[in-house]
Parts: sequence; C-alpha cells; structure tokens
Amino acid sequence: AQSVTQPDIHITVSEGASLELRCNYSYGATPYLFWYVQSPGQGLQLLLKYFSGDTLVQGIKGFEAEFKRSQSSFNLRKPSVHWSDAAEYFCAVGGTNKLIFGTGTLLAVQP
Amino acid sequence: NAGVTQTPKFQVLKTGQSMTLQCAQDMNHNSMYWYRQDPGMGLRLIYYSASEGTTDKGEVPNGYNVSRLNKREFSLRLESAAPSQTSVYFCASSEVNVGGPGANVLTFGAGSRLTVL
Repeated sequence: AQSVTQPDIHITVSEGASLELRCNYSYGATPYLFWYVQSPGQGLQLLLKYFSGDTLVQGIKGFEAEFKRSQSSFNLRKPSVHWSDAAEYFCAVGGTNKLIFGTGTLLAVQP
Repeated sequence: NAGVTQTPKFQVLKTGQSMTLQCAQDMNHNSMYWYRQDPGMGLRLIYYSASEGTTDKGEVPNGYNVSRLNKREFSLRLESAAPSQTSVYFCASSEVNVGGPGANVLTFGAGSRLTVL
C-alpha cells in the first residue's frame, strides 16, 4: 500500500541552527515526491518537488531535499533556520490521481 | 491574483443539518480537489474533479457530495452533518489534468473550519 511516514511529530530548533525533517515513503513505482508547508491558519504551499533526474532538489525559502531510493526517503533540509520557518511541514507522494500526505511535522523555532 | 477562495471560513452546525462549502479558483486550472485535515492524520482526499463535468471519489467520500459547477467552481455538500465531519476542509486546484506528475502541484485555499455539534 502507498504511504508516507513522517516519524517526528514535533521538532524544536534554535534560530540559526540546521534542520532536517524526515520522510519515508512506500510506493510501488517511481514516486513523485513533494514537501508542502502550512503556516498557522493558512493553506498548504509547495516548497519543492521531485519528479526525476537530479536527486537533490532545491525549493523556495532556502530549503532542499534529497531523494534516496535505496532508503525510500525524501528528507527536507535547511542549513540555517529562521524564526519565520515555524510551521507544519508535510511530505507527500504523488500517484496517478491523488497526493498521499504524511501526518506532518510541527516545527518550532527558539530565539 | 486571489488564487483559490473558500467560503465560509468558519461554520458551526448541529447534527443533521446540511451545508455547502464553496470553492472558486481564478487560475484557469483544470483539476480541483477537496481535502479534510484532522489532527495526527494529515490531509485526506474526499473528492476530486479532473476536469469540468467530471467528479471522482477520493479516500474518504462517505457523507459528502460534490458539484463541479463550471471550470472555476467546485462545491462540497454535507447533506446530514455528523460530529465525525468536524474538521478543516481545504479546496485545491492544479493546472495539469489528473494523470501526470504535475497534477500533484496543488494550490490550496486558506481552509474552512467546520464544527458539528
């Protein structure tokens, strides 16, 4: 069955520290992979996507993610977190007609 | 450039009441979607519409109906609301028709928070 696992429900980092959010997927074919971000009271916004090619993809707001087929992972990274990055982050895998979302990771940023 | 607009933003219903959530997009997108978001469960697809005149069930369609009124508008109806339908509902759209990877590049509305007592 197709699924996405985000093992960390909450993460707290200090401003300026590096960040890595974990995402593992289960999908029978070559996956299309996404990270979306949701700020409080808002809808989701696309951060980055992987369809094919280079396994390291760059997104908006200084985020990047690396597709590792051998580990079925698509972890999100940022070298230096800003207070405005506090939000909920969703990993998703795309199929023929729908996105399957993970349960999200809530990121808090300490001053 | 409003994007995806949902109304209402908040609604409180009593069990058994009916209501319709409205969604409109001004990006000339072909596909539209309704998701619900519940704590600890991520987003789950209720219904989608690949193009004007077509609708299909998603992961959790029971208790809901949809109408793709035209290319811009996609409404979600609760005929007899139940407490289990208390949730935040998101409408989304995509430029590319369902069936390709680009279909998963979604633009979301700001959400409609529904409480059923």
